[in-house]
Amino acid sequence: GENVEQHPSTLSVQEGDSAVIKCTYSDSASNYFPWYKQELGKGPQLIIDIRSNVGEKKDQRIAVTLNKTAKHFSLHITETQPEDSAVYFCAARRDQAGTALIFGKGTTLSVSS
Amino acid sequence: GAVVSQHPSWVICKSGTSVKIECRSLDFQATTMFWYRQFPKQSLMLMATSNEGSKATYEQGVEKDKFLINHASLTLSTLTVTSAHPEDSSFYICSATGLAWGSAYNEQFFGPGTRLTVL
Repeated sequence: GENVEQHPSTLSVQEGDSAVIKCTYSDSASNYFPWYKQELGKGPQLIIDIRSNVGEKKDQRIAVTLNKTAKHFSLHITETQPEDSAVYFCAARRDQAGTALIFGKGTTLSVSS
Repeated sequence: GAVVSQHPSWVICKSGTSVKIECRSLDFQATTMFWYRQFPKQSLMLMATSNEGSKATYEQGVEKDKFLINHASLTLSTLTVTSAHPEDSSFYICSATGLAWGSAYNEQFFGPGTRLTVL
């Protein structure tokens, strides 16, 4: 089955800096890669996703890149703000009915002002 | 996006009792629902996958007799933790997929989670 590795486990940045979180996956048939933000005591919230037919996707300060050959994808947050502080999870799965997302271990991002 | 609700949001029970958690898709038909468990400062671990009207498929290491899953309709799945023990204390999160708003993809929407504490 799918296995997702995520690094780093913790990341501290100054407000305004950029943050990068990286994930690798094992199943070459996986073709859907979402990123979630989770705040304490809440369910995960989708912030951006990418499918394997594209290499990069951007939404304002957030971008995701995908290298299918190397089987890794990354989350980029620019101009970080204190409210970006949370736990971020990457996930992967085959984009077919009934297939569950498999999550990385998470990255705790702390943005200090 | 589509909305998935869970009830209750938190529950405290005594050791040995059973607890039922409900997961509902509010504005779409969920062909498949998933149950995850999350221990403090850890990731979401998939427990089981259930399709409406079928028996759930459990992940390795998850006791199906302890974690009973029912998916009787396209909008409701329940997870019952039977004979709960303190080690079952965790954050349980459901997720649902289906064709919401004509989406061509099987989006996976998450509920807000249920905090279970077993005394």
